[in-house]
Amino acid sequence: DIQMTQSPASLSTSVGDRVTITCRASQSIGSSLNWYQQKPGKAPNLLIYAASSLQSGVPSRFSGSGSGTDFALTISSLQPEDFATYYCQQSYSSPFTFGPGTKVDIK
Amino acid sequence: QVQLVESGGGVVQPGGSLRLSCAASGFTFSSYGMHWVRQAPGKGLEWVAFVRYDGSNKYYADSGKGRFTISRDNSKNTLYLQMDSLRAEDTAVYYCAKDSVGRGYTYGATFDYWGPGTLVTVSS
Repeated sequence: DIQMTQSPASLSTSVGDRVTITCRASQSIGSSLNWYQQKPGKAPNLLIYAASSLQSGVPSRFSGSGSGTDFALTISSLQPEDFATYYCQQSYSSPFTFGPGTKVDIK
Repeated sequence: QVQLVESGGGVVQPGGSLRLSCAASGFTFSSYGMHWVRQAPGKGLEWVAFVRYDGSNKYYADSGKGRFTISRDNSKNTLYLQMDSLRAEDTAVYYCAKDSVGRGYTYGATFDYWGPGTLVTVSS
């Protein structure tokens, strides 16, 4: 199975800050990497697919990069509605594993 | 618009069974693969199972192999998860999720739409 790790596990930040979350796969997965945002009590929401493609309706301040084993999600200027938990997920092979999540909260 | 609504959750004793349903609307259900993903209280997301658009391929996480069965009824636009021999560690919110790719692919495993989830509690 492909293991996914994320860093940091949590970060405290302010509105307007630039935020980068990293995700690493235990083996090469090409560009088969997705990013989701989840708010408390809600279902996850797809932000980025295929490592760098922005899902329809997602603000352009979100971007994704990387390939192979190392990936990043960047929020260029954090907005109040962006405080949430972010998960990466590999779509390369079954089982389709998620990272442990990164909680972004207010400093 | 795409809508997914899970049902069937509840409290069940260890060793018991439960069948979850997911009613789909707003898209051609029979053209897309579907998944179940779960989240234990306060924990992260765990993919559970996948079924191809026509039901011909099914994949399972090790945690549910031999105990969980995913199925679909394309005439009813409904996805199912039969869960048997339930354990305390199966306690979670169970989400159904639509795969982003349709016919012509085995899977895309990108979850572009999710239901609100249904809570399953395994406890005596």
